[in-house]
Formats: sequence, structure tokens, C-alpha cells
Amino acid sequence: SQQGEEDPQALSIQEGENATMNCSYKTSINNLQWYRQNSGRGLVHLILIRSNEREKHSGRLRVTLDTSKKSSSLLITASRAADTASYFCATDAGGNKLVFGAGTILRVKS
Amino acid sequence: DTAVSQTPKYLVTQMGNDKSIKCEQNLGHDTMYWYKQDSKKFLKIMFSYNNKELIINETVPNRFSPKSPDKAHLNLHINSLELGDSAVYFCASSQEGAATEAFFGQGTRLTVV
Repeated sequence: SQQGEEDPQALSIQEGENATMNCSYKTSINNLQWYRQNSGRGLVHLILIRSNEREKHSGRLRVTLDTSKKSSSLLITASRAADTASYFCATDAGGNKLVFGAGTILRVKS
Repeated sequence: DTAVSQTPKYLVTQMGNDKSIKCEQNLGHDTMYWYKQDSKKFLKIMFSYNNKELIINETVPNRFSPKSPDKAHLNLHINSLELGDSAVYFCASSQEGAATEAFFGQGTRLTVV
């Protein structure tokens, strides 16, 4: 079964607005990662947050991790049309593999 | 220079055929993976190799046989292709398994007709 589950499944916002995506998972993890996938392309790593971290920033991205609730959120501030993509969370729950969630499709309208 | 490259990008073939997908990474990573992405965009791990050794075989039918001739290459051979094998297959690599970020290839869209 999928370890991570994102919500919402799809999100449509105007350029300049913030976009928040959530990820929930079921078991303890070593780290949680967020990836972006543009249509017809491979996945691109955005950010990795370890289980002992609560928040991380990278440019316009902010990721939080709440291990007590087994959830993470990805915030993209001041969104741009180029942010239109699918966003996936992936968890390292041991076993040398990343388990991906179903993804959130983000559409940023200009 | 492309970090993780896989060929071909598109593959259309008939049921019953055998086909291969090749993957190479020039990042010096120890771990390589094959993932399958279905039509609903679910990404599922198929295989994981660490320094040419198979680490994970995620209950994939034995028609799928990965081969790693060296730690920079991980190829996927598929025998007796079935309609349900149609998907996008991604190769990826990472320095330390799931503890570090993974770099993905552009994907191979396999269509079985």
C-alpha cells in the first residue's frame, strides 16, 4: 500500500497566491522528501527533511514535518505559472527504498 | 551532461515481444532503482541495486529481469510483454539509498498493443 498520501489531489490557484499540499504517512520514517514532476518528464527532487527536523526552507518552498501526526506539508509561496506540475511526497521508512504518495496536481493560472 | 539517462524514451511493441530499457548514471552513485508509474501517476518501486547487487525486488513478475553490469548502469529486460505492462518506467539513482535525494531519468513510455 502507498506509504504517503497527498491531499488535495488537485489544486488550482492564481499566479501570486500560495499553494499548500499535505502528505500523510503510516509508519515511522527516517526522512521525507518532496519531488516535482512536470508533464512528460522525470521527477525532480525539491527538498528532504529528516525525522528530527520540523521545518525546512528552500527559496519559495517551505516544508514542515510533524512526526506525531505523521504528516508533512509543502508550501509554495508567490506561485508562478512555471510551478504547474505534479508534486509527490516520498518517505524513507527503511529498507533502502523511497515510497511515493499519489501526488497533488497543481495548476497555477496566469 | 544528463545525470541519469535512459533509452529509449518511447517504446511501442506488440504483446508477447521481449524488450529492454537501458539506464546510465554519471553521478558516481551507489544505488540505482527502477520505478513504474501507471496511468494514475502512482509510482511504485520495482527494483533497487546497490553497487551492482540486487537489494529490493518488490514482487515484480519474473518476466522482468534487471541487470547491472557495473554500478553506473542498470538495465531492465522484459519478456513476453503484456498489455498491463504499459506504463512509464523511470530509472533513478542516489548516493546512499533512500537516505539521500534521488535523481530520476526522463522516463520510458512503454505501450504494449
